[in-house]
Amino acid sequence: NAGVTQTPKFQVLKTGQSMTLQCAQDMNHNSMYWYRQDPGMGLRLIYYSASEGTTDKGEVPNGYNVSRLNKREFSLRLESAAPSQTSVYFCASSEENYSNQPQHFGDGTRLSIL
Amino acid sequence: AQSVTQLDSQVPVFEEAPVELRCNYSSSVSVYLFWYVQYPNQGLQLLLKYLSGSTLVKGINGFEAEFNKSQTSFHLRKPSVHISDTAEYFCAVSGGFQKLVFGTGTRLLVSP
Repeated sequence: NAGVTQTPKFQVLKTGQSMTLQCAQDMNHNSMYWYRQDPGMGLRLIYYSASEGTTDKGEVPNGYNVSRLNKREFSLRLESAAPSQTSVYFCASSEENYSNQPQHFGDGTRLSIL
Repeated sequence: AQSVTQLDSQVPVFEEAPVELRCNYSSSVSVYLFWYVQYPNQGLQLLLKYLSGSTLVKGINGFEAEFNKSQTSFHLRKPSVHISDTAEYFCAVSGGFQKLVFGTGTRLLVSP
């Protein structure tokens, strides 16, 4: 019962370094999402992929890129990390990209940028 | 665009007492409403959802919520809480072509 798996769980970067956060789901879901969670702000959508081969910007895409590698995997890349990107990042998936579909979340990646 | 307001950032309660976590939403289209729970150092887990039909929705762990369209609310309730219910609770709304929008969360603190 793995569900959504995120790696790594923790990471510390220096300003300007690059990093890719990995996400994989084993539920055969078509849609995948990346969020960031900051204190007092809930979760905000960074990017999403409605289906394999497509990606779209969410609410806060600046400073990030994504790749939908295949149906299972959806990665998030920080090309030049900034302290403002210190956050907890969550990957989620749903069967389809319909607004009535609940999303299933991974356990998060805690990222600190010094 | 939709928005969600969770007015209470923190709700302290004693074990076995009832609790209500408030959620109000704003939307110009028909909505779907969700409550998620987040335990420390974990991801979000779906508690319950309202898609259509009966306005009283029952979820896991004894929680329930009532959709009130006239008051644009979707409050979460539990008649008797346990220590293990200590967590952060997020209300979320979606609808039309809008993606899921989360509230800022309410931290439920259950004391013995």
